[in-house]
Amino acid sequence: EVQLVQSGAEVKKPGESLKISCKGSGYSFTTSWIGWVRQMPGKGLEWMGIINPGDSDTRYSPSFQGQVTISADKSVNTAYLQWSSLKASDTAMYYCARQHSASLFDYWGQGTLVTVSS
Amino acid sequence: QSALTQPASVSGSPGQSVTISCTGTSSDVGGYNFVSWYQQHPGKAPKVMVYDVSNRPSGVSNRFSGSKSGNTASLTISGLQAEDEADYFCNSYTTSGTLGWVFGGGTKLTVL
Repeated sequence: EVQLVQSGAEVKKPGESLKISCKGSGYSFTTSWIGWVRQMPGKGLEWMGIINPGDSDTRYSPSFQGQVTISADKSVNTAYLQWSSLKASDTAMYYCARQHSASLFDYWGQGTLVTVSS
Repeated sequence: QSALTQPASVSGSPGQSVTISCTGTSSDVGGYNFVSWYQQHPGKAPKVMVYDVSNRPSGVSNRFSGSKSGNTASLTISGLQAEDEADYFCNSYTTSGTLGWVFGGGTKLTVL
């Protein structure tokens, strides 16, 4: 069974760093791109970036370029999303999603809620 | 890149059909057959309902269908059921920017 399991909720202070994870199982992790999606409270879905775990080729949305870093470790079938200095405006739910083919993002993680508050 | 344009809300009675539109440009919706639709219930992760404009993943009800005309894609839900009440988001491949993908702003479907 294909699964994407994300790390648990985080509560952080502004200026702190954070790295959240998305672990894939039940399929060959290196054969499908993994995307990261932000959903701010009560708002829509926004693409942040997408990574090919096979060769770490990464593309970012202009809105998130330089604000976050997406990476992957194929030895542990895990993709990561990290911040070096969080802001209150980073408070949101973050999802990872597997791109099976073309426009089919077929499996999604359960989401990681990040709360940034002083 | 700008989000694709969806109506903020649509509604229908049980048994009726509703259609949700998703308007983009020739750089995204109109230029490629790479449009997908996602259903999201409150507090849950999105679930794909249609991909590549009109294909349904295994397990998705055939009450959900997708189409495209010009720069506008559409999701039609027939035989509305209470469980269809949710937010719906379209997603398209885009040549605007380097990421390659863009979501619509989302549509809240209310089943009356």
